[in-house]
Amino acid sequence: DAKTTQPNSMESNEEEPVHLPCNHSTISGTDYIHWYRQLPSQGPEYVIHGLTSNVNNRMASLAIAEDRKSSTLILHRATLRDAAVYYCILRATSYDKVIFGPGTSLSVIP
Amino acid sequence: DTGVSQDPRHKITKRGQNVTFRCDPISEHNRLYWYRQTLGQGPEFLTYFQNEAQLEKSRLLSDRFSAERPKGSFSTLEIQRTEQGDSAMYLCASSLGRRTGGGTEAFFGQGTRLTVV
Repeated sequence: DAKTTQPNSMESNEEEPVHLPCNHSTISGTDYIHWYRQLPSQGPEYVIHGLTSNVNNRMASLAIAEDRKSSTLILHRATLRDAAVYYCILRATSYDKVIFGPGTSLSVIP
Repeated sequence: DTGVSQDPRHKITKRGQNVTFRCDPISEHNRLYWYRQTLGQGPEFLTYFQNEAQLEKSRLLSDRFSAERPKGSFSTLEIQRTEQGDSAMYLCASSLGRRTGGGTEAFFGQGTRLTVV
């Protein structure tokens, strides 16, 4: 499985944008980049995914580098409910189990 | 859509006892996954099913662990002769697997927290 590296933790002020980085230098051409998050005492939830182009949905935006070796999850306006562990994950086309790393623990300061 | 449901939410058992957890996936999802998560760590993959077939098992799944998915619907995870090291959150997820594309999202349940005393 291709690996991803993320900072262990980040802080953001409430109502400010948050940029969560992820490096995946060994990504293969068919790997999709997925982001999940896990709120305290809950199961992980899907946030967004993409292959090559930047993606937007109601939760977040995903910016993918041109060489695909890194990506950034963007929360446009952090709220206290966004405090969670965010996982950047690669999923190949041939199988789709989700393999989690340690993730980034995001704290949101009121 | 009731999502993925797991039962029980919490289980306390004595060392050496057997426990069984149940997962009900989203009804049309053909893939079902089990994960284990300990405090401060990301979820660790245990096993997954495509319909009723168990397609992959992690090295983490010792002989004391067994998972089934009869008829390709709900799944059970049994742990025999529990040990204190089995204490963890056990998560179930389901997705609609396709032969091409890695773009299918997985939906997770709330998990079963097991405490072995």
